[in-house]
Amino acid sequence: AQSVSQHNHHVILSEAASLELGCNYSYGGTVNLFWYVQYPGQHLQLLLKYFSGDPLVKGIKGFEAEFIKSKFSFNLRKPSVQWSDTAEYFCAVNLRGGSQGNLIFGKGTKLSVKP
Amino acid sequence: EAGVAQSPRYKIIEKRQSVAFWCNPISGHATLYWYQQILGQGPKLLIQFQNNGVVDDSQLPKDRFSAERLKGVDSTLKIQPAKLEDSAVYLCASSRLGQGAGNTIYFGEGSWLTVV
Repeated sequence: AQSVSQHNHHVILSEAASLELGCNYSYGGTVNLFWYVQYPGQHLQLLLKYFSGDPLVKGIKGFEAEFIKSKFSFNLRKPSVQWSDTAEYFCAVNLRGGSQGNLIFGKGTKLSVKP
Repeated sequence: EAGVAQSPRYKIIEKRQSVAFWCNPISGHATLYWYQQILGQGPKLLIQFQNNGVVDDSQLPKDRFSAERLKGVDSTLKIQPAKLEDSAVYLCASSRLGQGAGNTIYFGEGSWLTVV
C-alpha cells in the first residue's frame, strides 16, 4: 500500500539554523508530491508541490524541496529558519493522473524554533 | 477570497450519539473533500465530491458515516452512531477541479470531535 514516512516527529532548532525535514514514500508509479504546513491554530496550507520538471521546487517563505526519484524522497529544506516557522509540516503524495484528493499524508513533523 | 468554512469548530458527544458537520467550500470550487485527522497522524481522505457526485468514498466507514452534497455547493458529514475511535479533527477542503496539475486544495480549519 502507498505510504509516506516522515523521519522526525519533533524537531527543535534555534533561529537562523538550517532545516531539513525528511520525507520518503513507497510507491513505484508516478507520483505528485506536496508539503503542507499547519501553523498553530490555523488550517493546513500548501507550502509547495512537485508535479513534473525541475526536481528542485521552491515554495513560499523561502522553503524548497528536492525530489530524488531514485531515493523515493522529497525532503523539505530552508537555509535559515525563523521563529515564525514554528508549525507542523506534512508531506503528502498522490498518484499522477489520479484523483488529487486522495492525498496520502505522512504523520507530520512538528518544528519548534527557539528565538 | 473567503476560505473554506466549517462548523461547528468543536463538539463533544457521548458514544452512540450522532453528530453532523457542515462545510461551505470556496466559491466556484467544484471539488469538495472530507478528511479525518486523528491525533498524531496525517489527514486521511474520507470522501471526495465532484459537484454533487461522489468520486471516491473508498475509505469512508459507511456503516456509520455518511456525507452528502445535494446542490453541489455545501456539504454535510454525519456520524451515527459515534464510537470512541471517531475522536478526531474533520477537515473539509475544496479545489477548483479534482484532477490536473494546477489544482491546489484549500483546507478549512477543521471540526474537532471528542467522543466520550
